[in-house]
Amino acid sequence: DAGVTQSPTHLIKTRGQQVTLRCSPKSGHDTVSWYQQALGQGPQFIFQYYEEEERQRGNFPDRFSGHQFPNYSSELNVNALLLGDSALYLCASSEARGRGGQETQYFGPGTRLLVL
Amino acid sequence: AQSVTQLDSQVPVFEEAPVELRCNYSSSVSVYLFWYVQYPNQGLQLLLKYLSGSTLVKGINGFEAEFNKSQTSFHLRKPSVHISDTAEYFCAVSDPDFGNEKLTFGTGTRLTIIP
Repeated sequence: DAGVTQSPTHLIKTRGQQVTLRCSPKSGHDTVSWYQQALGQGPQFIFQYYEEEERQRGNFPDRFSGHQFPNYSSELNVNALLLGDSALYLCASSEARGRGGQETQYFGPGTRLLVL
Repeated sequence: AQSVTQLDSQVPVFEEAPVELRCNYSSSVSVYLFWYVQYPNQGLQLLLKYLSGSTLVKGINGFEAEFNKSQTSFHLRKPSVHISDTAEYFCAVSDPDFGNEKLTFGTGTRLTIIP
């Protein structure tokens, strides 16, 4: 049973560029959340997708956007990159509560983004 | 708004000694509580969780945690640590009324095992 997978593992971009990160949820999961983990910090919630819609959003600017596909995979897009966007981006998947899912999010290995 | 405080940023412990990693949370409602571990250059792995019921929760790798509602704490313990326990440990809280909504994490505690 494959867990949560993310691609790419590492990425280097320059300020002002745009980036797309990808996530495939654990088998049987239909909800995907994205987190940003800056160096030396705990993960910060960006947003969550369920049924191809953004369900909840953290305190992140509109430069951060996402998408969920019918197969439940997801993308995180960041426009106009800033130096401060350098971080580990974590994807987590879970099963929607309304379908009797557990209240547990399972995390992928992350994508490490460096903005120069 | 919920928040999590991990009181110790770094904890050095001798191998085979016991350890306690402290976590306090702030919330005016009921909560779900989690401990995750992050090994170097990896994502987060769930150690254990408290949803309801018994306040003593047992997890993987010999870890356990106790939910104390009056002290709003959820400290993580292990009676005897191993070198392989060296990692960053994160306490997290979520709001059960919103189900699989956002996790709010603490800033982490780096556990270093001394041989």
